[in-house]
Amino acid sequence: GNSVTQMEGPVTLSEEAFLTINCTYTATGYPSLFWYVQYPGEGLQLLLKATKADDKGSNKGFEATYRKETTSFHLEKGSVQVSDSAVYFCALSLHGSSNTGKLIFGQGTTLQVKP
Amino acid sequence: DAGITQSPRHKVTETGTPVTLRCHQTENHRYMYWYRQDPGHGLRLIHYSYGVKDTDKGEVSDGYSVSRSKTEDFLLTLESATSSQTSVYFCAIRGTDTYEQYFGPGTRLTVT
Repeated sequence: GNSVTQMEGPVTLSEEAFLTINCTYTATGYPSLFWYVQYPGEGLQLLLKATKADDKGSNKGFEATYRKETTSFHLEKGSVQVSDSAVYFCALSLHGSSNTGKLIFGQGTTLQVKP
Repeated sequence: DAGITQSPRHKVTETGTPVTLRCHQTENHRYMYWYRQDPGHGLRLIHYSYGVKDTDKGEVSDGYSVSRSKTEDFLLTLESATSSQTSVYFCAIRGTDTYEQYFGPGTRLTVT
């Protein structure tokens, strides 16, 4: 079946540290991949996306590269800030008329950044 | 801002009562989705709609029904609420030619 697996949290970092949140997927076909972020008490916001192999999505200093050979889409940021503290979700969506376009989510990874 | 609102934002109800949650969009998107968010499960699809009066089940549809009589509104109904339906419910929309979804602010439902 189709699924997304994220590293378990919480991830606790000091400000300006390097961030990696691992995400791997299993999918029939070639999915689009997404990272969403959820700040406390809010809905999910699209952070970045990639629609085909070797695409790199980037936004607000965050990056992720669609790696078909390792079925991965790891999220990285070179220098985190306290304001990046949130829950991060990796997700995939399958293409094609037989698919609903629904998103399949990982469990979420909580990031805590300390000053 | 994707122009999605959800109502109510918070609700406490008793076991066995019917509950309806509303999702409203202002951008005329074809696809709408209802998800529930629970700790350790991420978000899971309940139902979705691909047009007016066109709906289908997701992976956790038992105990839920939906209706879409207008493009802008997608209603989620719990026919007889149970404690296992205590959750945060999110509505999302998607355009026809894209795969990313945009989410509403959520409804926190507590069933006592």
